[in-house]
Amino acid sequence: EAQVTQNPRYLITVTGKKLTVTCSQNMNHEYMSWYRQDPGLGLRQIYYSMNVEVTDKGDVPEGYKVSRKEKRNFPLILESPSPNQTSLYFCASSLRHHQAGNSPLHFGNGTRLTVT
Amino acid sequence: KNEVEQSPQNLTAQEGEFITINCSYSVGISALHWLQQHPGGGIVSLFMLSSGKKKHGRLIATINIQEKHSSLHITASHPRDSAVYICAVRSEETSGSRLTFGEGTQLTVNP
Repeated sequence: EAQVTQNPRYLITVTGKKLTVTCSQNMNHEYMSWYRQDPGLGLRQIYYSMNVEVTDKGDVPEGYKVSRKEKRNFPLILESPSPNQTSLYFCASSLRHHQAGNSPLHFGNGTRLTVT
Repeated sequence: KNEVEQSPQNLTAQEGEFITINCSYSVGISALHWLQQHPGGGIVSLFMLSSGKKKHGRLIATINIQEKHSSLHITASHPRDSAVYICAVRSEETSGSRLTFGEGTQLTVNP
């Protein structure tokens, strides 16, 4: 089954404790991206990747890192989480971004992160 | 002013009604997405448009590139259509790699 798999679904952690949220897709998609969703602010793009070893900042990259060593995986790393990173996070993938006519977005199920 | 504005923010309808959700944007785009987010939180892509109109079942999406406006229509609405509907645009400036989202429209369809 074609899917984007995010783990974990829920995570509670403390300020400063490094964490990684994993994202994996099995559709051979070139484009992958991370978003956070906050009440009143909607979805905002954190980082995106157009292919292996190619990553770039979205609108809210501060406090986050990503890597794209393999096509299928795009982990989101919080080196030193802070309470303002408490949010609902989504990973998504699609075919090459410029193939707009054939590239619907496929979303993971989300990760609800709480930083205390 | 946000780059992507949706209206209305909240919409309550009776089962069977025809529903329209609007999305206006201020940037040049390579594509526009309509997404559906259910109460459980999962997000599903409904449509991706770069011109014209698309239809899938009871859902119809249209886009007017000159007016920078898109609409999502739901015919014969049903309580299972209750969800948040989100408009997102792929910026032409970044060759479609950056996405900007509207804040969403909360739709409630009562039986």
